[in-house]
Amino acid sequence: AQSVAQPEDQVNVAEGNPLTVKCTYSVSGNPYLFWYVQYPNRGLQFLLKYITGDNLVKGSYGFEAEFNKSQTSFHLKKPSALVSDSALYFCAVSSHNTDKLIFGTGTRLQVFP
Amino acid sequence: NAGVTQTPKFQVLKTGQSMTLQCAQDMNHEYMSWYRQDPGMGLRLIHYSVGAGITDQGEVPNGYNVSRSTTEDFPLRLLSAAPSQTSVYFCASSYTFLGTGDYGYTFGSGTRLTVV
Repeated sequence: AQSVAQPEDQVNVAEGNPLTVKCTYSVSGNPYLFWYVQYPNRGLQFLLKYITGDNLVKGSYGFEAEFNKSQTSFHLKKPSALVSDSALYFCAVSSHNTDKLIFGTGTRLQVFP
Repeated sequence: NAGVTQTPKFQVLKTGQSMTLQCAQDMNHEYMSWYRQDPGMGLRLIHYSVGAGITDQGEVPNGYNVSRSTTEDFPLRLLSAAPSQTSVYFCASSYTFLGTGDYGYTFGSGTRLTVV
């Protein structure tokens, strides 16, 4: 069965510091991995995805993520956090075997000035 | 293309009432799905469909019905609303570009449902 774990309910980071939001997954077959961001009372915004190819994926707003097959992880990173990055972040997984997209429980990122 | 359109955006129901949340897409996507979002729970899959005439249950199907009579539409029905169904509901469809191998999902803007 597919599953996604986001082990941190909240991540706090000072503006200008690097940030990491963790995600590990379990899926049958080759994984398709996604990160979405949600601002208060808004819908989901797509950040980046890994389908195939380079393990390091670059996305919107300076975010990137690295696919690590041996550790079944897809952590979201940004070299220098902005206060405006404060939001709820979701990791999600599907695979080439299924279109079902399963989400993690989300991580709230708080960036302090 | 309008993408994935959800209606209504907001709805208040009384316990026991029924209603249908509408979801339509104009991109000819075969796969469509419904999620509910609750604080601390992330988005949980309610029902999904891999094509017209085919539906299946997701993680939290109880209390919800779906049908897929056309490729474009995937309505979600609450037969007898309960306060536990107060949530934000998202509809999504998935695409595959066979030429490039690109793959992804398009989400609607959500329906905020309150059951009192």
